[in-house]
Amino acid sequence: DGGITQSPKYLFRKEGQNVTLSCEQNLNHDAMYWYRQDPGQGLRLIYYSQIVNDFQKGDIAEGYSVSREKKESFPLTVTSAQKNPTAFYLCASSSGRASGELFFGEGSRLTVL
Amino acid sequence: DAKTTQPPSMDCAEGRAANLPCNHSTISGNEYVYWYRQIHSQGPQYIIHGLKNNETNEMASLIITEDRKSSTLILPHATLRDTAVYYCIVRAGLGTGTASKLTFGTGTRLQVTL
Repeated sequence: DGGITQSPKYLFRKEGQNVTLSCEQNLNHDAMYWYRQDPGQGLRLIYYSQIVNDFQKGDIAEGYSVSREKKESFPLTVTSAQKNPTAFYLCASSSGRASGELFFGEGSRLTVL
Repeated sequence: DAKTTQPPSMDCAEGRAANLPCNHSTISGNEYVYWYRQIHSQGPQYIIHGLKNNETNEMASLIITEDRKSSTLILPHATLRDTAVYYCIVRAGLGTGTASKLTFGTGTRLQVTL
């Protein structure tokens, strides 16, 4: 079945370590996104990519990096520069049509000890 | 993109209709109204969207007022599995090839009870 796969679902890391979260989609969507969610809060956009080899910063890009070398993959690296990395991270994709909805993965919960 | 206002929480008895309101008084003519829901610790799920006309699908109905300044999501027969946070979002349709950057607020927490 078509969808978005995020891995790992849960991740624990020590402070100061870089962490890479995986996001793969087989929906043939052009656009992909990374959101961050803190407890009791809405989603905040970290980075998005409209097409392969192109990406733009969202509202809270500091301390994060991404790449888009393949259409189906959009990994997110949480660097040691991110001051408060513990959060729920959500990846999404869309077809890029004018009214195209977002399709989300199940999320990755990162805890920094 | 226009800002939306939703009540923080609502209750609904199982089997009854759940009517979730959303105000978007600054909406522009080319902005769509989207509804998503998020069940605890899962990714948000698309429900429905509309521009001007009322819309219905297998999950819900969307009623948009004639002036488009508010809308209501209707779950006709709520079940316990509908307990979730519901997000109302407005966004301009910017043409093909444009990323659907949606801004998610804190939404309405719907609790369906027996």
